[in-house]
Amino acid sequence: QKEVEQNSGPLSVPEGAIASLNCTYSDRGSQSFFWYRQYSGKSPELIMSIYSNGDKEDGRFTAQLNKASQYVSLLIRDSQPSDSATYLCAVRDTGRRALTFGSGTRLQVQP
Amino acid sequence: DTEVTQTPKHLVMGMTNKKSLKCEQHMGHRAMYWYKQKAKKPPELMFVYSYEKLSINESVPSRFSPECPNSSLLNLHLHALQPEDSALYLCASSQDAGGTDNQPQHFGDGTRLSIL
Repeated sequence: QKEVEQNSGPLSVPEGAIASLNCTYSDRGSQSFFWYRQYSGKSPELIMSIYSNGDKEDGRFTAQLNKASQYVSLLIRDSQPSDSATYLCAVRDTGRRALTFGSGTRLQVQP
Repeated sequence: DTEVTQTPKHLVMGMTNKKSLKCEQHMGHRAMYWYKQKAKKPPELMFVYSYEKLSINESVPSRFSPECPNSSLLNLHLHALQPEDSALYLCASSQDAGGTDNQPQHFGDGTRLSIL
């Protein structure tokens, strides 16, 4: 059973702070990792994808991947109230076109 | 707005009705997906089509019947649903580069389905 684990939160940070979201996965062969943001009642929106060990930056977002430790994280710098949402970590299953999602971390950015 | 379009946005149906959910994408993607999402839960994969052929069925009950008429369209036919089938149904698509495909999936806005 392939698993993707996330802390459900809520993670509460003040406006302007760095929010750090973490995810661990069980499938050691996984090669593709994604972060989605989902506002309440809306569909998941792709924020970042990462495939290699290290950091990948896109604006205020940085994804970090460590395959040896089987974890992937998302940093959000200068957090804004509009960043308040559930963040879903998704890992592509080895050998098939399917994603396994974590249960999501709810982020609250306090004004 | 997303590049994956789902209709209708909301659907209320009785347990004896037959209805269909529709999904369309024009990004040239060759893999399309149906997910079911209950409140406060992550999306659960239902079906995957690759090059218009069903490649994954996650043991979904037969009251859900997928169809892929062409590379841009994906339907989900519904018949004799149960109240517990009420959920947000999400369609997604991705480029499909075969076994090494690592392209992200892009989701539509979803259809919120309520079974009376």
